[in-house]
Amino acid sequence: EAGVAQSPRYKIIEKRQSVAFWCNPISGHATLYWYQQILGQGPKLLIQFQNNGVVDDSQLPKDRFSAERLKGVDSTLKIQPAKLEDSAVYLCASSSGTANTEAFFGQGTRLTVV
Amino acid sequence: GEDVEQSLFLSVREGDSSVINCTYTDSSSTYLYWYKQEPGAGLQLLTYIFSNMDMKQDQRLTVLLNKKDKHLSLRIADTQTGDSAIYFCAEISNAGKSTFGDGTTLTVKP
Repeated sequence: EAGVAQSPRYKIIEKRQSVAFWCNPISGHATLYWYQQILGQGPKLLIQFQNNGVVDDSQLPKDRFSAERLKGVDSTLKIQPAKLEDSAVYLCASSSGTANTEAFFGQGTRLTVV
Repeated sequence: GEDVEQSLFLSVREGDSSVINCTYTDSSSTYLYWYKQEPGAGLQLLTYIFSNMDMKQDQRLTVLLNKKDKHLSLRIADTQTGDSAIYFCAEISNAGKSTFGDGTTLTVKP
């Protein structure tokens, strides 16, 4: 079974530029998560989708971050414009359910904003 | 809001047992998880425990939950060098919201 795929693996941009990350979850997984992991910290949930609907985006900085999952499969996370403090690893995870099912994580995209 | 606290570092010798501790604040937590993260990799689920359990054993891993004190621990028996990684404690609330600790870096010395 293929795992959660994310691209790119690494991205370096200048502040105020835009960037987009892509995630392909495990086939058949209805729930998709985007996390931000700042160096030395645990992952922080940015947004959770159930199919193509948003379940929780309470910690998503909506003035600059946006995410979509139009067909309930792949998802993109965008930052526009980026700030220095957005430097982090952005992790995508998927699961077949919610609280009582295992979430599988991708390898993440390491973003450096200079 | 919800908070999960872990000690930052733990160092043990190969063959010893490792105990990683975690405290959480959300009394409505339904599931508590332990994840392992190796350098450059995503998070790998090690084990989880439902909030109405107080212990779960899975091969070399033992999870203890003290719900009264909101304290969770992960014991790794016969720790190996391959166990060196960052271990994250996470809680899932009734609403399905996940909160992770900042991770404990386990170093296993030969």
